[in-house]
Amino acid sequence: DAKTTQPPSMDCAEGRAANLPCNHSTISGNEYVYWYRQIHSQGPQYIIHGLKNNETNEMASLIITEDRKSSTLILPHATLRDTAVYYCIVSPSSGSARQLTFGSGTQLTVLP
Amino acid sequence: GAVVSQHPSWVICKSGTSVKIECRSLDFQATTMFWYRQFPKQSLMLMATSNEGSKATYEQGVEKDKFLINHASLTLSTLTVTSAHPEDSSFYICSARPSVSTDGYFGPGTRLTVT
Repeated sequence: DAKTTQPPSMDCAEGRAANLPCNHSTISGNEYVYWYRQIHSQGPQYIIHGLKNNETNEMASLIITEDRKSSTLILPHATLRDTAVYYCIVSPSSGSARQLTFGSGTQLTVLP
Repeated sequence: GAVVSQHPSWVICKSGTSVKIECRSLDFQATTMFWYRQFPKQSLMLMATSNEGSKATYEQGVEKDKFLINHASLTLSTLTVTSAHPEDSSFYICSARPSVSTDGYFGPGTRLTVT
């Protein structure tokens, strides 16, 4: 599995954009970048995923560098409920039988 | 969106007893279910993968005789922790996948405390 590197923790002011970086320098051509988050004592929640183009949905935006060696998850207007551990995962396409491998993630704390 | 439930949400049991945790896909049929374990302040670790009607595949270091997995139907998988010990206390999370061509959906987790 390609490994990811994320900062262990970040703070963000409520209402501001939260930009969470992830390095995945050994990513393979067929591997997607997935982002999940886990609020304390709950199961992981899917946020977004992408291959090489930038992606946006109702929760967040995903910016992937042209060389695909890093990406940034953007929460445009962070709220207190966005406080969670955010996991960046690289994995083959959804057609694979392999399951997601979670790293240590980034603890995002949104401050009032 | 697809919903996955787990029951119970938390359980306390005495050392030496067995505990069964259920994972259900409520609005879809899951050909594959995954079981994860998460210790405090650590990340999720995959324990096993189960396909409906066949034996589960366990990750290295996970005792298959201790963590019994049954995936008897397309909407239900169970994890039984046999002869539980305090070191088995953890947060157990399942993930259910409708088909090989789709991503999985996570359950809310079950907190197991063994006293």
